[in-house]
Amino acid sequence: AQSVAQPEDQVNVAEGNPLTVKCTYSVSGNPYLFWYVQYPNRGLQFLLKYITGDNLVKGSYGFEAEFNKSQTSFHLKKPSALVSDSALYFCAVRDRGSTLGRLYFGRGTQLTVWP
Amino acid sequence: DADVTQTPRNRITKTGKRIMLECSQTKGHDRMYWYRQDPGLGLRLIYYSFDVKDINKGEISDGYSVSRQAQAKFSLSLESAIPNQTALYFCATSDPSGGLSYNEQFFGPGTRLTVL
Repeated sequence: AQSVAQPEDQVNVAEGNPLTVKCTYSVSGNPYLFWYVQYPNRGLQFLLKYITGDNLVKGSYGFEAEFNKSQTSFHLKKPSALVSDSALYFCAVRDRGSTLGRLYFGRGTQLTVWP
Repeated sequence: DADVTQTPRNRITKTGKRIMLECSQTKGHDRMYWYRQDPGLGLRLIYYSFDVKDINKGEISDGYSVSRQAQAKFSLSLESAIPNQTALYFCATSDPSGGLSYNEQFFGPGTRLTVL
């Protein structure tokens, strides 16, 4: 069974400091991994994805994520947070071996960046 | 994403009423999805469709039905709405181009449904 865990409901960080939003996953095979961001009153927007290759993936708005197979993690990071990064972040996983193409989402982490 | 539109954006209805939420896309994608979002629960898949002739139940399809009228249109219906269907509903699309089905999904702006 596929599942995604985002262990922190909220992450608070001061502007200019590095941020990390954690994600761990469980799939029966090899994963495709995604991060999405949701701003208030908006739909989800794609940030980045890991398919294969380099474990460090770079995405939109200066975000990056590191795939760690041994720890089954895909943490989202940014070296210097901005107030405008405040939003709800979702991690999602899909089993590479599945033909259905379904994504399984975590519960979301609310990121607040303080000025 | 402006290429995926949902109507209505907000709806308040009463228990027992029939409600239809509509989704249209101009991205030319074959795959379409309906999710609901509840605080603290993330997104849960209601139904998905890989083409006009293909409809599949997701993890929480009870109380819902869908219709894929065309490649670009995918509607979600609540035949008899109940209060615990109060949620934010999202439509999404994806394109398994080249036979590779790991492309990201593109989401509409959402419909906030309140069932009294």
